[in-house]
Amino acid sequence: KNEVEQSPQNLTAQEGEFITINCSYSVGISALHWLQQHPGGGIVSLFMLSSGKKKHGRLIATINIQEKHSSLHITASHPRDSAVYICAVRYGGNQFYFGTGTSLTVIP
Amino acid sequence: DVKVTQSSRYLVKRTGEKVFLECVQDMDHENMFWYRQDPGLGLRLIYFSYDVKMKEKGDIPEGYSVSREKKERFSLILESASTNQTSMYLCASSLQGALINTIYFGEGSWLTVV
Repeated sequence: KNEVEQSPQNLTAQEGEFITINCSYSVGISALHWLQQHPGGGIVSLFMLSSGKKKHGRLIATINIQEKHSSLHITASHPRDSAVYICAVRYGGNQFYFGTGTSLTVIP
Repeated sequence: DVKVTQSSRYLVKRTGEKVFLECVQDMDHENMFWYRQDPGLGLRLIYFSYDVKMKEKGDIPEGYSVSREKKERFSLILESASTNQTSMYLCASSLQGALINTIYFGEGSWLTVV
C-alpha cells in the first residue's frame, strides 16, 4: 500500500523559531514534493526532490532515500509562513500520493 | 507564468442538481487531475486524465464523472449532487514522466450542496 505519513499534524511556533516537518513513505519513490497551501485553498509547489537537499530562501528540504524519509525545515519562521504543508510522492507513474498535511501557525 | 484556472471559486447547489466544475491549464500538460480535500483526509483523487478523451478512476470516483475533450480542459461533473459532496475541489496538472515534473494546482472550488 502506498502510504505517506506526515508529522506533526499541527504545529504552533513563535516567530523566529526553527521548524521541522517530517514525511515518511512506505515504498521506493521517483520523486517527493513539498507543497504549501494558504488559507483560501491554492496550493503551490515548494520543492521537488529525488535525492539530497534543496534550499530556497528560508526553506530547506532534505530526503533520505534509504530511510524513506524527508524533512522540510523553516529557519527564522515568520507569521506569513502559517499555512498547511503537504508532502506528496510519485512512484514512477502519473499519480501523486499525498500526506494529510501539517498545519503550521507562527505566532508573532 | 504557469496557470491552472478553475472556473468557480464558490458554488452553492441544491441536492439533485447537476454540477459542472471546469478546469483549464495553459501549460500544454498531458496529465490533469481532480481531487477533493476534506479536513483530516487530505487530498483524495477522484479522476485523472493522461490524454485527451482518456480518463482513469482515482480513489473516490463514485458520484462523479469527467470529460476531457481538449488537452487544456478537464471538467468534473456531479451528475446528481448530494450533501456528502460538499467539499473543496482542486484541479491540478503536470507533464508526464516522473523525475522532472512538478504538479500545478488551481485555486480550488468550494462547493456546498444544500
